[in-house]
Amino acid sequence: DAGITQSPRHKVTETGTPVTLRCHQTENHRYMYWYRQDPGHGLRLIHYSYGVKDTDKGEVSDGYSVSRSKTEDFLLTLESATSSQTSVYFCAISESSQIGYGYTFGSGTRLTVV
Amino acid sequence: AQKITQTQPGMFVQEKEAVTLDCTYDTSDQSYGLFWYKQPSSGEMIFLIYQGSYDEQNATEGRYSLNFQKARKSANLVISASQLGDSAMYFCAMREGPSAGNNRKLIWGLGTSLAVNP
Repeated sequence: DAGITQSPRHKVTETGTPVTLRCHQTENHRYMYWYRQDPGHGLRLIHYSYGVKDTDKGEVSDGYSVSRSKTEDFLLTLESATSSQTSVYFCAISESSQIGYGYTFGSGTRLTVV
Repeated sequence: AQKITQTQPGMFVQEKEAVTLDCTYDTSDQSYGLFWYKQPSSGEMIFLIYQGSYDEQNATEGRYSLNFQKARKSANLVISASQLGDSAMYFCAMREGPSAGNNRKLIWGLGTSLAVNP
């Protein structure tokens, strides 16, 4: 079983509507991250969490909010979706922020804003 | 600021040959970690190999090895005996060192797209 799942896998939404993406983990890892991936831009960090109710902004946080009310769930909300937020969104988890620890990624959510 | 640079947007290699994907990094910390991930066309991100800054030997994992040159601040990925299934995007990443504080993140390069030709 996958230790990290994202839902939905695909979503089409209209401009101006709110959208929530969910990341669920069964690994009990402390750290969770939301990235967006766009051609030519690699992975860009949106928000991350370092514990329940502890979150911080990444490099492209405008227009996005997050919540983490339980260790296992990290929600990303697009408050009012715009076409520029059409992207593939990845959630990642990490047990520790020490140098030897990498990320485990979810399968991604392809979001299209029309 | 800590940074990862991958200078090769795209690479081609013939099946069964070896290929080197370049990665250079910039950090003032002495302690850091370097990672390579693979992203095939199906989209998932797959961890390949890790090198710690204090590791004396280059990391190896099967057909993957990391050519770590600390003085040059480079961490190149070497794939030996390329296979068609190696066609993918490859990302180099660095775990921030102590200067980044408590919640150190991975810093990512923009990736190299590798195509393996039959």
